[in-house]
Amino acid sequence: AQSVSQHNHHVILSEAASLELGCNYSYGGTVNLFWYVQYPGQHLQLLLKYFSGDPLVKGIKGFEAEFIKSKFSFNLRKPSVQWSDTAEYFCAVNSRGSQGNLIFGKGTKLSVKP
Amino acid sequence: DTEVTQTPKHLVMGMTNKKSLKCEQHMGHRAMYWYKQKAKKPPELMFVYSYEKLSINESVPSRFSPECPNSSLLNLHLHALQPEDSALYLCASSQDWGQDYGYTFGSGTRLTVV
Repeated sequence: AQSVSQHNHHVILSEAASLELGCNYSYGGTVNLFWYVQYPGQHLQLLLKYFSGDPLVKGIKGFEAEFIKSKFSFNLRKPSVQWSDTAEYFCAVNSRGSQGNLIFGKGTKLSVKP
Repeated sequence: DTEVTQTPKHLVMGMTNKKSLKCEQHMGHRAMYWYKQKAKKPPELMFVYSYEKLSINESVPSRFSPECPNSSLLNLHLHALQPEDSALYLCASSQDWGQDYGYTFGSGTRLTVV
């Protein structure tokens, strides 16, 4: 079955530090990849998505992600985090293997210290 | 209108009550979804409706009963729930059901079963 792995459960950074959150998926065919953010007490918001084309995707709030097909990875990056980036981050994938359904990773909690 | 609207935002119900959650979108999306999210866990797919027909039921107990009265509305009828059903219930929609479409999520209904 298709699965999504986020290896970091909780990441703690100071403001202005650089961020990289890992995401790996298990499906070998064509995939669409997403990063969602969930601020405390709020709903899921789409940060960025990859369907095809340039594997380096830029999203909102200064986030970007790189799709590396050979590594089955879609890591999220931000050069300089802010306290307001404190949130839960979910990687998600859909594919023919999931019948188009969105499968989420377990999430990574990011805490940014002011 | 680029939103998915869910009502109510909060709901407390007893184990013998019957209640309904409502989801509405006016983006012309033809696929709608119910997800369940427990605290500190990723969203888990419950149901998929495509063109107002139930396409996927992820082995959800019959005390949860979805309904799609028209292409803009998706309801989730609740009856005889258990305390472990307490969770955030998320509705989402996409242009169509399949691999090539991103999802828009609503803000969710936070359900507490007492």
